[in-house]
Amino acid sequence: GESVGLHLPTLSVQEGDNSIINCAYSNSASDYFIWYKQESGKGPQFIIDIRSNMDKRQGQRVTVLLNKTVKHLSLQIAATQPGDSAVYFCADGNSGGYNKLIFGAGTRLAVHP
Amino acid sequence: KAGVTQTPRYLIKTRGQQVTLSCSPISGHRSVSWYQQTPGQGLQFLFEYFSETQRNKGNFPGRFSGRQFSNSRSEMNVSTLELGDSALYLCASRSNPDQETQYFGPGTRLLVL
Repeated sequence: GESVGLHLPTLSVQEGDNSIINCAYSNSASDYFIWYKQESGKGPQFIIDIRSNMDKRQGQRVTVLLNKTVKHLSLQIAATQPGDSAVYFCADGNSGGYNKLIFGAGTRLAVHP
Repeated sequence: KAGVTQTPRYLIKTRGQQVTLSCSPISGHRSVSWYQQTPGQGLQFLFEYFSETQRNKGNFPGRFSGRQFSNSRSEMNVSTLELGDSALYLCASRSNPDQETQYFGPGTRLLVL
């Protein structure tokens, strides 16, 4: 069945460094992906999305890269700050039917001063 | 614009009881989806409602049910609670099911003893 997986469960970075969080998906027909950030005690917060007709999309301090050939996407966070500490989820936005979200397992990002 | 709100935020129940959770979507959003989040299974789709009709359902037993009211507010009900139902229940809204981006509420933390 469809799945969205993450390569690393935990990522530790120094404040100011760039962070890269990876995600693999299995459905080659998927054409919409979203990254969410979830802080402790809160619901997932939309960060950025990308459609399959794009390879790269940039937001404020974040960039999402999509490699359809290997079914992989990544979230890059520039100049990581303590406030970036959270669990990050990638989600397949429409392979689940009716635009149901299929989430990856999540990666915990820990930012150290 | 106010975000998605969920009540109650925390709930403790015992096995065999039933529980009702409430979600108010972002103003103007008519689609509401429910997700269950547990450490073992991650974020899993429960169901989606649009215009008071269930449009899609995940792989959960019939003990999990929901409904949507004419003002787009939604409730989900879990009957005959089991220990494994302990989870964070998240509600997400969007303007309509064709809009792919969903916005999440803070969730209701349910503990079943």
